[in-house]
Amino acid sequence: GIQVEQSPPDLILQEGANSTLRCNFSDSVNNLQWFHQNPWGQLINLFYIPSGTKQNGRLSATTVATERYSLLYISSSQTTDSGVYFCGNGGSQGNLIFGKGTKLSVKP
Amino acid sequence: NAGVTQTPKFRVLKTGQSMTLLCAQDMNHEYMYWYRQDPGMGLRLIHYSVGEGTTAKGEVPDGYNVSRLKKQNFLLGLESAAPSQTSVYFCASSRAMNTEAFFGQGTRLTVV
Repeated sequence: GIQVEQSPPDLILQEGANSTLRCNFSDSVNNLQWFHQNPWGQLINLFYIPSGTKQNGRLSATTVATERYSLLYISSSQTTDSGVYFCGNGGSQGNLIFGKGTKLSVKP
Repeated sequence: NAGVTQTPKFRVLKTGQSMTLLCAQDMNHEYMYWYRQDPGMGLRLIHYSVGEGTTAKGEVPDGYNVSRLKKQNFLLGLESAAPSQTSVYFCASSRAMNTEAFFGQGTRLTVV
């Protein structure tokens, strides 16, 4: 079945630093989404990005469907960016197939 | 606009007890899903529905049942809870297949 690999699994940053999170896919990319799971467990939609590039404030994402990967960029990180970042790719049942996440800790 | 709302937020069950988790969405979405999230893992699909009156099995359906009697509601039932069902459960909805999904706030279930 479709596999989604996220890297790195863990990331520790100093406040103000930039970072890049990556998702690789074993199959074609469709319905790609990025989420932030905050320390309270809520899943927050960041980007719906099956292809191309989008930006929202300090965050941006790029999906290169032909090469089966997506990148999430976080610039000038803040402590509130801490949490786990998930990417999900569309499955055959209309669902999302998730990676195991990248745990980000931003230190003040 | 509430989006996707799950009830309850927390629950502790004894082994063998039953319960129902309720998911309600106000976006008129056709597709609804139930996922479970276990430590160190992403979300895994339990059951899903492509419209009112329809349900189908996902990746990890054993021990769960679902119903979609109304378009806006998707219920997840545990008939006889087991400790292996201790998890965080998320409901999601989307307008159609392979469109943006929106998630509820999650239900933390502990089975003792």
